[in-house]
Amino acid sequence: AQSVTQLGSHVSVSEGALVLLRCNYSSSVPPYLFWYVQYPNQGLQLLLKYTSAATLVKGINGFEAEFKKSETSFHLTKPSAHMSDAAEYFCAVEDTGGFKTIFGAGTRLFVKA
Amino acid sequence: EAQVTQNPRYLITVTGKKLTVTCSQNMNHEYMSWYRQDPGLGLRQIYYSMNVEVTDKGDVPEGYKVSRKEKRNFPLILESPSPNQTSLYFCASSSGVGLGYEQYFGPGTRLTVT
Repeated sequence: AQSVTQLGSHVSVSEGALVLLRCNYSSSVPPYLFWYVQYPNQGLQLLLKYTSAATLVKGINGFEAEFKKSETSFHLTKPSAHMSDAAEYFCAVEDTGGFKTIFGAGTRLFVKA
Repeated sequence: EAQVTQNPRYLITVTGKKLTVTCSQNMNHEYMSWYRQDPGLGLRQIYYSMNVEVTDKGDVPEGYKVSRKEKRNFPLILESPSPNQTSLYFCASSSGVGLGYEQYFGPGTRLTVT
């Protein structure tokens, strides 16, 4: 079965600093990969997804992620954090059986003024 | 506006009292799913449905039931809730599955079972 590991349950950065949220997946074939964001008291919404078209994927709000097959990683980055980026971020992989999505445990991002 | 709605948003109940959480989507999506979110565990799938009258178990189906009689609705039923079902529940829908389709999530239902 596929799995997703997000390193760090909490990440704290200063406003204007680089944001790096780590995600590693286990899969024997190139998967579909996603990053979702959850703002307080809201459901999840899609930030970006990898579907094999390009290894560097750009998403909403200035986020991007790079698919690295050799490292089985799909880390999320943003060059300059904004206070509004404070949220919980989930990495997810679509199961090779294709019927479900496996989510990581989530990383809560704190942005300090 | 395209959306997934859930009701109620908050629910406090007692052990053993049957309850239903409703979910409805207005995007004509075929695939719908229920998740529960617990701290440190992320989202775990409870049940999913590929289409009307087609449902299957996810990773944590024990204690839950679902039905899909209409395309737009996918209610989650807890026939005899227990305290370990205290959680945040999300319904989600997508136009398909297996090809990297985006899932659209409802706002969540916070359930407390005492």
